[in-house]
Amino acid sequence: QKEVEQNSGPLSVPEGAIASLNCTYSDRGSQSFFWYRQYSGKSPELIMSIYSNGDKEDGRFTAQLNKASQYVSLLIRDSQPSDSATYLCAVKPGDTDKLIFGTGTRLQVFP
Amino acid sequence: ETGVTQTPRHLVMGMTNKKSLKCEQHLGHNAMYWYKQSAKKPLELMFVYSLEERVENNSVPSRFSPECPNSSHLFLHLHTLQPEDSALYLCASSQDRLGQFFGPGTRLTVL
Repeated sequence: QKEVEQNSGPLSVPEGAIASLNCTYSDRGSQSFFWYRQYSGKSPELIMSIYSNGDKEDGRFTAQLNKASQYVSLLIRDSQPSDSATYLCAVKPGDTDKLIFGTGTRLQVFP
Repeated sequence: ETGVTQTPRHLVMGMTNKKSLKCEQHLGHNAMYWYKQSAKKPLELMFVYSLEERVENNSVPSRFSPECPNSSHLFLHLHTLQPEDSALYLCASSQDRLGQFFGPGTRLTVL
């Protein structure tokens, strides 16, 4: 069973701090990795994708991938209360169309 | 809004009713998906259509019946559902190995 693991949280950080969200996956053949943000009552929104080892930055977001350790993370710099949401990690195993989602980490940014 | 629309946004039905959920994507993608999202559970993939052909059926009960008449439209036909089928039903689309883009979802309640 291919799995994606995330700590459910909540992860509480003060406004302006760096929020660090982590995800591990079981399928070594996975090639594509995604982070989604989901506000309460809304659908998931794609915020980052990463395909190769290392860091990828987009504004306040940085995705980090380490395939050897089967680990992907999302850093949010200068966290804002509007960043409070559930963050879903998703992994595409091999050369398939499907995504395997984690259960998500709830992030709370307090003023 | 992401270019993927779903109707209706809310649906209440009895166990003997027949209803259909509709999804339309305006992104020119070649794959479409149905997911079920229940409280405190990961997103559950139900069906995958690639180039209008069903390529995945994750042991979904036959009371859920998908239909993909063309690459832009996806339906989920529902009949004789159970109360445990109450959930948020999400449609998504993607192109090749890029991330999936979700519609706003249909909140389904089965009485």
